[in-house]
Formats: sequence, C-alpha cells, structure tokens
Amino acid sequence: NAGVMQNPRHLVRRRGQEARLRCSPMKGHSHVYWYRQLPEEGLKFMVYLQKENIIDESGMPKERFSAEFPKEGPSILRIQQVVRGDSAAYFCASSPPVTAPKYGYTFGSGTRLTVV
Amino acid sequence: ELKVEQNPLFLSMQEGKNYTIYCNYSTTSDRLYWYRQDPGKSLESLFVLLSNGAVKQEGRLMASLDTKARLSTLHITAAVHDLSATYFCAVDFYSGGGADGLTFGKGTHLIIQP
Repeated sequence: NAGVMQNPRHLVRRRGQEARLRCSPMKGHSHVYWYRQLPEEGLKFMVYLQKENIIDESGMPKERFSAEFPKEGPSILRIQQVVRGDSAAYFCASSPPVTAPKYGYTFGSGTRLTVV
Repeated sequence: ELKVEQNPLFLSMQEGKNYTIYCNYSTTSDRLYWYRQDPGKSLESLFVLLSNGAVKQEGRLMASLDTKARLSTLHITAAVHDLSATYFCAVDFYSGGGADGLTFGKGTHLIIQP
C-alpha cells in the first residue's frame, strides 16, 4: 500500500523556467492538498482539489501558480516563470472522501524546489 | 482567519527531563493534529485528537485537547535524544462545507542533549 507519492524529490530550475510538481494520492484517497514550507517555517496551505475540481485555492498566489487533479493521473502543481522566492519544499497530502478525515492527512515526502 | 500558535518555538532540554509544548488556536475546532518532522523529511502523523478532553499517548509522548480553552498540549516524559525533531500542531480550517485543509503552527524545534 504505497503512500502519497511525490516526484521529483528535488528540482532545480533557473529563474524564468517552469516547475511541475507531481503528486499521486494514496489508494482510495480522492482529496489532495498542496502546502508550501519555507525554510525554518511551518507549512502554509495552498490549494485543495478533488478529481477534476479545485475546491479551495485561497492559499495560492494569484499569478504564476496553478494546480490540477485530472480524472486520470497525478495532481500537478505548476509554477510558471519561477523566481528565487519560490524556492521551498512543496508537500502534498491526501485524505479519503470524508468531510474531515478522522485519521488525519497523509503527507508525501515533498519536492524541494531550488531556483537558481 | 484561523491562527495557530505554538510555544515555545525553540526548546533545548536534557535527556531524562519532562517538558510540555503548547498549541493555541483562535477559532472553534474539535479536531487537532500533531506531526513530527525530521530535518529534510516529510511529516509523520503523531496524534489526531477528535474531541474535547481527548488524551492520547504513544511512548514518551502524550497529547491532550481542551476545545473550550482552544488549547492542546504535547507532553514529553523522560526525553531521549531520538525525540529531537520539529513538532507541529495543526487544525482543520473550514470554508463553507467540510474541512478544506490544515492551518499549521510555526513548529517547535526540539533539541534533546545527552
């Protein structure tokens, strides 16, 4: 029973390039959440998705960031024209299809994005 | 806006000692989560506290929840070096229907000296 799978683990991009981060939820989980963690800080919510729907994107920057969770395949967090300030660890979590998960959210290993 | 505050943010303690980490949150919630994070690693779920008065224990860690005071505590008993890590508390936030995700505290960086 694989957990939440994120790839790549590490990603280096030059300023102005695009970054694509992937997240495959746990089997049986249909809800995906993306968080960003800056160095020495806590995690900040970015977006909550269900299959083919963005439920809450209140934590997403207004420009350059987008997320999707298609009917087939992983959820993708896309950052266009990356800047140095985008360097962070990006974590994905998933939960089963209940209103508030009784057993908590399961987190992936994260993608560490470095913009040079 | 939901706010989650942890204290202390940094804690250095000796092995064998006891200590408590506090987590306050600003709006009504009956679910609170504690996670552990080792450097460069992901978050490991420690406890999910689901109701007022909930108390859970795992080894040297014990967590409790007082929803009326909007306070959770993580108590460490007879600390050992392996418990050195960053500990986060988190609370579900809601907008409209069900929970939309978690709001995290800033974390408590715990260093246990031999």
